[in-house]
Amino acid sequence: EPEVTQTPSHQVTQMGQEVILRCVPISNHLYFYWYRQILGQKVEFLVSFYNNEISEKSEIFDDQFSVERPDGSNFTLKIRSTKLEDSAMYFCASRARLADPSYEQYFGPGTRLTVT
Amino acid sequence: GQNIDQPTEMTATEGAIVQINCTYQTSGFNGLFWYQQHAGEAPTFLSYNVLDGLEEKGRFSSFLSRSKGYSYLLLKELQMKDSASYLCAVRGAGSQGNLIFGKGTKLSVKP
Repeated sequence: EPEVTQTPSHQVTQMGQEVILRCVPISNHLYFYWYRQILGQKVEFLVSFYNNEISEKSEIFDDQFSVERPDGSNFTLKIRSTKLEDSAMYFCASRARLADPSYEQYFGPGTRLTVT
Repeated sequence: GQNIDQPTEMTATEGAIVQINCTYQTSGFNGLFWYQQHAGEAPTFLSYNVLDGLEEKGRFSSFLSRSKGYSYLLLKELQMKDSASYLCAVRGAGSQGNLIFGKGTKLSVKP
């Protein structure tokens, strides 16, 4: 069964450093998402991406964040200058065509980001 | 505003039936999802409701009442492996399907 993959599984970085989280969505999917989940809290939407551009973003997704689909398979989330409060599990998700009646999003296994 | 409420924790016995409720108040509604999340893992899709009524899928059923802003997930014949968090999520008003999640209900299944 096709699945979303994410690398690395765990990233430790120092405050102020840049990090790039990588995702490979399911190959025929067209809509891509990043969510985050701070330990013990709810899953929060960050950004959605379609047709090579951001389609929606939340208040969390400020100028420190950016997304890119550099080569038609990878989907990356960059945090320019990490803060302690960026420590969380980051999930990538993808979805098939808009005509998919269930709008089901498939989630990757997540990258745990720890900012020290 | 966006608000999705679910009980924080529930406990049930193996073999029993449990109902997890979810109420929502969102600025837009384009469907309600239930996801299962084991500790430290990704959410996995369980069910989707966009019209009122009951959707059944094996041991899991989900119900929606749009007029009441209410849904429940029903789990039958509980197994130990069903111990997990169950996340209620609403597809927001945006066109690209982003999900607004509740805080999740941690279900513990006891022998």
